Parts: sequence; structure tokens; C-alpha cells
Amino acid sequence: QQPVQSPQAVILREGEDAVINCSSSKALYSVHWYRQKHGEAPVFLMILLKGGEQKGHDKISASFNEKKQQSSLYLTASQLSYSGTYFCGTENISHFGNEKLTFGTGTRLTIIP
Amino acid sequence: KAGVTQTPRYLIKTRGQQVTLSCSPISGHRSVSWYQQTPGQGLQFLFEYFSETQRNKGNFPGRFSGRQFSNSRSEMNVSTLELGDSALYLCASSYDSTRAEAFFGQGTRLTVV
Repeated sequence: QQPVQSPQAVILREGEDAVINCSSSKALYSVHWYRQKHGEAPVFLMILLKGGEQKGHDKISASFNEKKQQSSLYLTASQLSYSGTYFCGTENISHFGNEKLTFGTGTRLTIIP
Repeated sequence: KAGVTQTPRYLIKTRGQQVTLSCSPISGHRSVSWYQQTPGQGLQFLFEYFSETQRNKGNFPGRFSGRQFSNSRSEMNVSTLELGDSALYLCASSYDSTRAEAFFGQGTRLTVV
């Protein structure tokens, strides 16, 4: 089951903050965040495991709400280099063990000067 | 260390033909996953191989198949190509499993005419 990302696209001015949400209809074991710039391969940002943790580095952080089956990616004081498409990937829990990593359709973030 | 290498980078095939794509993971990585990326669909999981065994499979028809060799290199084969198979095919390698950071290759852009 593909996770749902919102918003689908967002345009910000440099220095503004952004939040990207990722929701799953099934219980989550882990959430993975990647960023892909145009014409390039996706690049790993972070993984969050169930337990309701929060992670971050520099001005990019993320939270994982196990009860709500969702994760949010926070980008503060956005820089031009943050532009790209952000994908969340979810690993769901099932009776047969954890399922394959499934990615959302992405959120296109555009930062303008 | 060298990154994930995918060959060829670009490919044009005719409907009905078959194609084989190659992926060389980062040295020491045992897990290789394949994804199909099309505009609006995000990253669609094809399959994952770990130590020469298919560990997970996505919802793609049997025309899509893959294999992994003892040196962890992986190939993906698509038979009886259809126009809808035109896409960017990405492979990602990780040390152990989908719970670890995955490194993506640049992808193979397949165009079916």
C-alpha cells in the first residue's frame, strides 16, 4: 500500500520553513526519507523506526508518530539547495513479517531566492 | 568508494523486444532493490535481492524478472516490452536490508517505441 504524501508540491522563499507529511493506512515499522534533484538519483536523508522517535541533522528533521501511522519531514530556514522532490518510503508491519519498502509519489519542493 | 553503477544509462527498444539492465552495487553491499520511476507514480518497487535470493517482489507482471549473482551484481530483465514500460529504472544497494541506508544508482532510462 503506497503511502500518501502531502502536499504534492510547495513553493517557498529562501529562509521559510516547510513541512512534508507522509501517511500510511497500515501499521508502520519504519519510515525512510529521500530527496531527489532533477536528473539525479535519490539521496538518503534519514530513517525513523517505530517508537515515536524524532531525528534530524542540520536544519532538516523528521518525526514518526506510530499511533497516527505517519511521519513528517521538517525543513527550517530553507536554502536553495533544498529544492527537489522528497520521497517517503514506508515499511509496514504484517503477520508475515515486515513488508517491502514502498515509496509515496513525492513532494516537489521549489525554493526561490 | 565507488557508488552504484547502472548500465546502460539510456536505452531505446521496440515494442515486443526484451531488455536486460545491469546494476553493480557498492562493494560489500548484499541487498539490491529495483524500482521503476515514472512521472506521477513515484518510485514503484519491483523486487529486492539479497545474497542471490529474491526476498521481496512488487506488483509487476511476470514479464519483469531479475536475478543476483554471487558477487551481488544484479540484472533485471523485461520481456515483450510494452509502451508503458518506458521509465527510469533505478537500483539501490544497501549493506543488509531495507532498514539500512540505501544508495541509488543514476538509473537506466528505457524508452519503448
